[in-house]
Amino acid sequence: DTAVSQTPKYLVTQMGNDKSIKCEQNLGHDTMYWYKQDSKKFLKIMFSYNNKELIINETVPNRFSPKSPDKAHLNLHINSLELGDSAVYFCASSQTKPNYSGNTIYFGEGSWLTVV
Amino acid sequence: QQQVKQSPQSLIVQKGGISIINCAYENTAFDYFPWYQQFPGKGPALLIAIRPDVSEKKEGRFTISFNKSAKQFSLHIMDSQPGDSATYFCAAKGGRGTYKYIFGTGTRLKVLA
Repeated sequence: DTAVSQTPKYLVTQMGNDKSIKCEQNLGHDTMYWYKQDSKKFLKIMFSYNNKELIINETVPNRFSPKSPDKAHLNLHINSLELGDSAVYFCASSQTKPNYSGNTIYFGEGSWLTVV
Repeated sequence: QQQVKQSPQSLIVQKGGISIINCAYENTAFDYFPWYQQFPGKGPALLIAIRPDVSEKKEGRFTISFNKSAKQFSLHIMDSQPGDSATYFCAAKGGRGTYKYIFGTGTRLKVLA
């Protein structure tokens, strides 16, 4: 069973389109994330939800909107896609543990977005 | 303050050699330091992690050395194998009660057979 699964794996779309990437985790974790990895492999956090509440919202264009219908799902919707949005988007999850500093992040396999 | 600086950007090692990747940070509030391994076409996967109250952690061929006073930590891969060829990321968690991990810029390791 895949722990963090995201769909689609590959997405090629034209500029100006709107697209969504879906993510589900079956680990029972309470925190989910979206990371963006650019062509230079830099991994940058975009959003994080804890128990469906938005807790991290980095400087990301308003065209990106996350939605967490429940603890196990975190979707990413992107409006008016631009060439610069081409990247790999990783969904991830972790479990917060009170009085414990280390919470392993488990990543999905990524969604390769190409905007043409 | 929120950066984690990683070096080298790329590394080529002969099979059986030692691979060493270094990271440095500024924020003393960071309280957890994992290393992730990423193969092409896959997501990063946790390799090994350390907390700042420990100076060294070893798991098989992988060792983290942590120098709290210097605010540096490094990954050592002993007896490097071609199967270790991947991109390695160090990371730092922003302190108790936070959920934010800051990742280093990655090191592409190639182990020659």
